[in-house]
Amino acid sequence: DTGVSQDPRHKITKRGQNVTFRCDPISEHNRLYWYRQTLGQGPEFLTYFQNEAQLEKSRLLSDRFSAERPKGSFSTLEIQRTEQGDSAMYLCASSLFDNYNSPLHFGNGTRLTVT
Amino acid sequence: QQQVKQSPQSLIVQKGGISIINCAYENTAFDYFPWYQQFPGKGPALLIAIRPDVSEKKEGRFTISFNKSAKQFSLHIMDSQPGDSATYFCAATQAGNTPLVFGKGTRLSVIA
Repeated sequence: DTGVSQDPRHKITKRGQNVTFRCDPISEHNRLYWYRQTLGQGPEFLTYFQNEAQLEKSRLLSDRFSAERPKGSFSTLEIQRTEQGDSAMYLCASSLFDNYNSPLHFGNGTRLTVT
Repeated sequence: QQQVKQSPQSLIVQKGGISIINCAYENTAFDYFPWYQQFPGKGPALLIAIRPDVSEKKEGRFTISFNKSAKQFSLHIMDSQPGDSATYFCAATQAGNTPLVFGKGTRLSVIA
């Protein structure tokens, strides 16, 4: 399978704990995106990278959230001091950007439940 | 501020019928309009996309109609099948410059 891979698929954590998610994009893709999706809503943009550079962060992304993409390959999204409002599906997507738009390919997400 | 407004929230269509989902956008700089299909437990998958230099794009049973002056675009699914039952999202972006902005989704149920 050469699609976008996310790990873990599900994560249950207690409020106040830290969690980290991993995303492995399609290998030749230079852009990597993180989105958050809650029940009955469309994906909401969080942040994205071109290679290893983080180009934009949404105002939704509080200081408790941090994302990295070392070496421009896989990416991690960490949430510190989780809150119940962080419960959502966290989606990763990648694309091959070549000075114009290219389709986003999404992974199947990590579902986070904060108890 | 919701940049892409999608309707209806849910839709029930008879097998063989036409499903129509509408979206409206506000930012006139948007120039790429994709539709994504999402099944339960899966990530969204690109279905079809259009740029504003054309008014319609057709791929198989799926057609996007685009009205630039009204800032609206719609997805038509012809001969709807039970396998089309999924949630559909419209999205928009200024190509290459901004991340995709999604609508809230339409849950489509195609009944036999």
